[in-house]
Amino acid sequence: DSGVTQTPKHLITATGQRVTLRCSPRSGDLSVYWYQQSLDQGLQFLIQYYNGEERAKGNILERFSAQQFPDLHSELNLSSLELGDSALYFCASSDGTDPGYTFGSGTRLTVV
Amino acid sequence: GQQVMQIPQYQHVQEGEDFTTYCNSSTTLSNIQWYKQRPGGHPVFLIQLVKSGEVKKQKRLTFQFGEAKKNSSLHITATQTTDVGTYFCAGPLYSGYALNFGKGTSLLVTP
Repeated sequence: DSGVTQTPKHLITATGQRVTLRCSPRSGDLSVYWYQQSLDQGLQFLIQYYNGEERAKGNILERFSAQQFPDLHSELNLSSLELGDSALYFCASSDGTDPGYTFGSGTRLTVV
Repeated sequence: GQQVMQIPQYQHVQEGEDFTTYCNSSTTLSNIQWYKQRPGGHPVFLIQLVKSGEVKKQKRLTFQFGEAKKNSSLHITATQTTDVGTYFCAGPLYSGYALNFGKGTSLLVTP
């Protein structure tokens, strides 16, 4: 157990639908990062939050949004889903002092 | 924008052989990090290199950061089946610690 909790582990949904992925960071970590991992694109940075505020944005589609709540957990919302959105979505956290991210076990999203 | 490239994409070795993966950035990096992802698992942080020309060792793994801080390498001596996985390098994308990952090198070790 890495200390970063992601739910659900698996999600199967239809095109056009909306889903919410949840992440609880490691205790004490204020930063949360979302990454998308697909076979051909590797780990793509989506978005970062720090203590409730958006800190950096990567290749995140307009159909995707995220937020970090006062208890520091984060949610990634994916809407108008397309087949190409099928991927592993990882959440990672860091305390901003020690190097390295701690990754969760990921949510595997399958859009059919 | 900044790009981090890794070669080779795949490497298949016999147990006991050495393995090296290379990472190149289009821009100078303040630091570089290495991660390992086992099949079916999540990336796990291995190490961070900060100084120009830095070399760090973890048992059979040797990590190097280039003098120009634009390239790095990971060398594994005498691979074991437990080394199987994908090795990623990553460099800071923004000052807010977001990391840009390379596409990784997948290592397969056969006994």
